[in-house]
Amino acid sequence: EAGVVQSPRYKIIEKKQPVAFWCNPISGHNTLYWYRQNLGQGPELLIRYENEEAVDDSQLPKDRFSAERLKGVDSTLKIQPAELGDSAVYLCASNPGTSGRPSTDTQYFGPGTRLTVL
Amino acid sequence: AQSVTQLGSHVSVSEGALVLLRCNYSSSVPPYLFWYVQYPNQGLQLLLKYTTGATLVKGINGFEAEFKKSETSFHLTKPSAHMSDAAEYFCAVKAPKAGTALIFGKGTTLSVSS
Repeated sequence: EAGVVQSPRYKIIEKKQPVAFWCNPISGHNTLYWYRQNLGQGPELLIRYENEEAVDDSQLPKDRFSAERLKGVDSTLKIQPAELGDSAVYLCASNPGTSGRPSTDTQYFGPGTRLTVL
Repeated sequence: AQSVTQLGSHVSVSEGALVLLRCNYSSSVPPYLFWYVQYPNQGLQLLLKYTTGATLVKGINGFEAEFKKSETSFHLTKPSAHMSDAAEYFCAVKAPKAGTALIFGKGTTLSVSS
């Protein structure tokens, strides 16, 4: 079984440029998460989807960040414009359950996209 | 509200020595607790988790952790360290409600010397 796939693995951009990250969760996983991991810190949730609905986006900086999961499968996270402080690793994770259909509670993580903003 | 505190950002042990990584949590509801490991340039891999039932949980690679409610702790141990255990370890907590996000600690870097 394929794991969570993310691309690109690395991205270097100049500040004020846009950037997008893509995530394909494990097949059949209904819940998808985007986390941001700053250097020397643990991951922090940005947004959580159940199928195509964003059920928790309270930590997403909505002035510059946006996300979508149009068909309830893969997802895209976008930053426009990027700032120096956005340099981090962006992790995608998935879980087979939803709040209405509990599962194992185990989240499966992709390898992440390391963003460097110059 | 939930939070996790990992005591010690760096832990160094010799190969064959006991590994002890400390994690304390705060939670207003019965917590689900997790330990994840992260190798350089890789994503997080689940080592073990506690949800309900037996408080001593065994995971992969010889690791185990014990949920102690009275101490609000979930320390990770391994009897004998191996060079391949060198990595970053994260303790995390979540509410029992299905699908809710993980709250991570800041991580502990484990170094293993020969």
